[in-house]
Amino acid sequence: AQSVTQLGSHVSVSEGALVLLRCNYSSSVPPYLFWYVQYPNQGLQLLLKYTSAATLVKGINGFEAEFKKSETSFHLTKPSAHMSDAAEYFCAVSAASGGSYIPTFGRGTSLIVHP
Amino acid sequence: ETGVTQSPTHLIKTRGQQVTLRCSSQSGHNTVSWYQQALGQGPQFIFQYYREEENGRGNFPPRFSGLQFPNYSSELNVNALELDDSALYLCASSADTNTEAFFGQGTRLTVV
Repeated sequence: AQSVTQLGSHVSVSEGALVLLRCNYSSSVPPYLFWYVQYPNQGLQLLLKYTSAATLVKGINGFEAEFKKSETSFHLTKPSAHMSDAAEYFCAVSAASGGSYIPTFGRGTSLIVHP
Repeated sequence: ETGVTQSPTHLIKTRGQQVTLRCSSQSGHNTVSWYQQALGQGPQFIFQYYREEENGRGNFPPRFSGLQFPNYSSELNVNALELDDSALYLCASSADTNTEAFFGQGTRLTVV
């Protein structure tokens, strides 16, 4: 069984400030972890993924995330927020199960960027 | 290379009716997954198809059913629609069952 908890349904930052979106996971086997972004009325776009290689994962648009097994966390960060980063962000966990891997998503965190 | 396309983009149905949503997978992809995303929630996995066979199913009742065709496009059928079925339905395709999934823009279903 696997699950994801995203802490904070809304995060508000000023343009240029650090972005930190929190994600904790639960998985009975070594996990794959993902962050997706969703803009209004759009599908999901993959930002980055962890698949048991380097624990610090760099993604698109300047985002990165660090896998911390001891804390069961996979927090998403970006040093400097842009207005265009305003969107819904989803953390997801999956584990190979019977040959298929099917991500379980968190409830999402809405990132609000103030000018 | 075309991406994942879903049709229609919006749909309004009456409670008790049936609906069919369609998804064209990205070229070269043999796996399609369907998700339901209620307002303010994360996507919930409905089922996955791999090479025309169901390859996993989430916690959805049997009135949610699907098909995958030889060209790997897919349909999601929902019978006896309920008000709570109102949601964004997302389709995602991948080159295999354990590779990155690419999402379509979704179909917004409203049940009245």
